[in-house]
Amino acid sequence: EPEVTQTPSHQVTQMGQEVILRCVPISNHLYFYWYRQILGQKVEFLVSFYNNEISEKSEIFDDQFSVERPDGSNFTLKIRSTKLEDSAMYFCARNRGRGETQYFGPGTRLLVL
Amino acid sequence: GESVGLHLPTLSVQEGDNSIINCAYSNSASDYFIWYKQESGKGPQFIIDIRSNMDKRQGQRVTVLLNKTVKHLSLQIAATQPGDSAVYFCAENGGTGANNLFFGTGTRLTVIP
Repeated sequence: EPEVTQTPSHQVTQMGQEVILRCVPISNHLYFYWYRQILGQKVEFLVSFYNNEISEKSEIFDDQFSVERPDGSNFTLKIRSTKLEDSAMYFCARNRGRGETQYFGPGTRLLVL
Repeated sequence: GESVGLHLPTLSVQEGDNSIINCAYSNSASDYFIWYKQESGKGPQFIIDIRSNMDKRQGQRVTVLLNKTVKHLSLQIAATQPGDSAVYFCAENGGTGANNLFFGTGTRLTVIP
């Protein structure tokens, strides 16, 4: 299984602050995804990203969220002004092509105080 | 929206016994299904997948069965080991061409030594 890495592993922030979560790319993986998992709940899709643009997003992914992959470097998820309810595990996932197996990273645990 | 659910939230089995974890899905358009294993504090780990043109697929110690008539998916683990203790999620893609996954709520498998 391809290794997927994410940084940081943990992040604590104050409500209203901006956070950036990072996912390290694998060279032959073209599709990127962000999912979140609130403690004790199921994994929820946020957004998918291909060819430097969003291909799909859920209703959770509102204007507070943004994603980018500048210059083929890390794939990032930015939360502009965090809210208490943004506290969750955030997982990056990748696959080589549409409909292919998605491999998940270890996640970033975000705690908003 | 999609609804992927599990019949049992918890399952306890004796070491060496076979485990069966069930999942019901509601979107008849889904054509790709995956089972993930999630250990505490980690990201979902791919176990096995199946496409809708199949009704059974086997891996190492694991078998996935798909019954499209009743929209039911199951994961069978043979000779369950303590290392199999985790939360197991089924996920579906929501339809042909869809690339994001919809997860169920998970079943916690506990293996009793």
